[in-house]
Amino acid sequence: DADVTQTPRNRITKTGKRIMLECSQTKGHDRMYWYRQDPGLGLRLIYYSFDVKDINKGEISDGYSVSRQAQAKFSLSLESAIPNQTALYFCATAPGTSGRGELFFGEGSRLTVL
Amino acid sequence: GENVEQHPSTLSVQEGDSAVIKCTYSDSASNYFPWYKQELGKRPQLIIDIRSNVGEKKDQRIAVTLNKTAKHFSLHITETQPEDSAVYFCAASTPLGGTSYGKLTFGQGTILTVHP
Repeated sequence: DADVTQTPRNRITKTGKRIMLECSQTKGHDRMYWYRQDPGLGLRLIYYSFDVKDINKGEISDGYSVSRQAQAKFSLSLESAIPNQTALYFCATAPGTSGRGELFFGEGSRLTVL
Repeated sequence: GENVEQHPSTLSVQEGDSAVIKCTYSDSASNYFPWYKQELGKRPQLIIDIRSNVGEKKDQRIAVTLNKTAKHFSLHITETQPEDSAVYFCAASTPLGGTSYGKLTFGQGTILTVHP
């Protein structure tokens, strides 16, 4: 089945380290998103991309950067990780103009920054 | 930007009872309102959605209502079952990129527990 795959699924790192979370999809979707989930805060948008040449900041982009290497790949980087970036990170995809609006989520990447 | 408020944060019901979760949104341009269910340790998945030109939508035991004037929408689950226990998120979408939807803003989530 077509899916959204995130790597790594779990990562423990130290303050100041550079971290990359990767997302790849076989759904053929144009739109890709990175969300962060924290208890009591819901899912907050970090960055989104509507095609390979399009990158947009979400509501909490500070401290993060992204790269859309191909239609199927969208990576999230933490240049210098800090403890309050400890969270569960989700990649999501959506079709372009042909879709109904539904987001398809990956399984999540749990990041712990010590 | 859009702001979505969701209440309650936790909800506990007995099996067979109804559950209602409410959300408000701030941007009158928002026109698509999905609800996602996230079971423990799983990814969020869409369970029902409604567009701004519709006031109510039902799918078996779940229904969503939308009041555009008041900018609020609600999820109703009837005859709850233990497998309905999960975190539920509402969301509102603002038009972007030439389509009627584009960027979802989520509520804070509601932890629903259904006791057998």
